Amino acid sequence: DIQMTQSPSSLSASVGDRVTITCRASQSISTYLNWYQQKSGKAPELLMFVASRLQSGVPSRFSGSGSGTDFTLTISGLQPEDFATYYCQQTYSTPLTFGGGTRVEIK
Amino acid sequence: QVQLVESGGGVVQPGRSLRLSCAASGFTFSYYAMHWVRLVPGKGLDWVAVISYDATTKHYADSVKGRFTISRDNSKNILYLEMNSLRPGDTGLYYCARDSNPTQWLVLGFDSWGQGTLVTVSS
Repeated sequence: DIQMTQSPSSLSASVGDRVTITCRASQSISTYLNWYQQKSGKAPELLMFVASRLQSGVPSRFSGSGSGTDFTLTISGLQPEDFATYYCQQTYSTPLTFGGGTRVEIK
Repeated sequence: QVQLVESGGGVVQPGRSLRLSCAASGFTFSYYAMHWVRLVPGKGLDWVAVISYDATTKHYADSVKGRFTISRDNSKNILYLEMNSLRPGDTGLYYCARDSNPTQWLVLGFDSWGQGTLVTVSS
């Protein structure tokens, strides 16, 4: 199975900050990497798919990059509604796997 | 609009069974692969299973293989998860989710999710 490792597991940031979350796969997954945002008490929402494509309706301050084993999710100009937990997910092969999550908190 | 509504969760003793349902509306259910994903307390999201649009292909997480069965009824627009031999580690909030793309399933992520149904396995 492909293991997905996110870092950091949590971070504190201020409104307006640039935030970067990393995700590493245990083997190459090309660009079969998706990102989700989950707010407390809510269902996850798809942010990015195939590493760098923005899901419809998602603000352009979110961006993704990477291929192979190393990926990043960047939030350029953190907004109050962005405080949430973020998960990466590989869809290169089954079983599909998620990273452990990164909790973004208010500083 | 797309709506997914899970039901069937509850408190169950280890070794017992439970069947979850997910009622879908607002889209052509029979076109899309569907997934079950659980949110495990203290651990995060954990993919459980997927079923193709026509139910001919199913895949499972290693942790549930042989114990859980995913199925669907396209005439009723309902997705199911039959869970047997439940363990405390199966405790979590179970979501059904729609695969994003009918023609490239298992690749582009899950674009719609229900609100989840809580399963607690405890003696």
